[in-house]
Amino acid sequence: GAGVSQSPRYKVAKRGQDVALRCDPISGHVSLFWYQQALGQGPEFLTYFQNEAQLDKSGLPSDRFFAERPEGSVSTLKIQRTQQEDSAVYLCASSLVRASGNNPYEQYFGPGTRLTVT
Amino acid sequence: AQKVTQAQTEISVVEKEDVTLDCVYETRDTTYYLFWYKQPPSGELVFLIRRNSFDEQNEISGRYSWNFQKSTSSFNFTITASQVVDSAVYFCALVRGSTLGRLYFGRGTQLTVWP
Repeated sequence: GAGVSQSPRYKVAKRGQDVALRCDPISGHVSLFWYQQALGQGPEFLTYFQNEAQLDKSGLPSDRFFAERPEGSVSTLKIQRTQQEDSAVYLCASSLVRASGNNPYEQYFGPGTRLTVT
Repeated sequence: AQKVTQAQTEISVVEKEDVTLDCVYETRDTTYYLFWYKQPPSGELVFLIRRNSFDEQNEISGRYSWNFQKSTSSFNFTITASQVVDSAVYFCALVRGSTLGRLYFGRGTQLTVWP
């Protein structure tokens, strides 16, 4: 079966450009997470969707970051006016059921999009 | 604050050696879950194990074993008879019971197994 896919795999943007990163979760998965992984660091949480509802966006670093999942499947992470500090790998993960800290299910990760801002 | 510390940045071993990856966590939640993920060069994080805070039983899966000790807030991972294919970055992560399941990751340990 298909896993989580992300596109593009690599993106080079000039400072100030807008970018859009796409995530296709595993079909039927309710939960979708975005993480940002800087070089040599562990992934850091950005935002969480349960179906189409964005229930937690506390990890988005600034108002230049925006995420959506309008039909409860594919999600897009948009970064406006990119800065050099946005250079990182952006990981998407999906999980079968709604997320809960009381019984967290396994998150299945995609291969990531490596964003380089020049 | 919740935190996951992986003090070992890099470890190199020769094939067939045993190796232990350390993980120390910090949280005020009484309910929490601990995870280990493997990140091979391809980049995808691969789930290895999940443990909850009420189950301190150690677990063994093939060459992998995990030692959870609440008294020292540690969740260490041992690979027995390491193989070249074990070379990857390994992440320890925490989910707090009071959240919606977001993972708090450590910085990772790069394991290199030489033939």
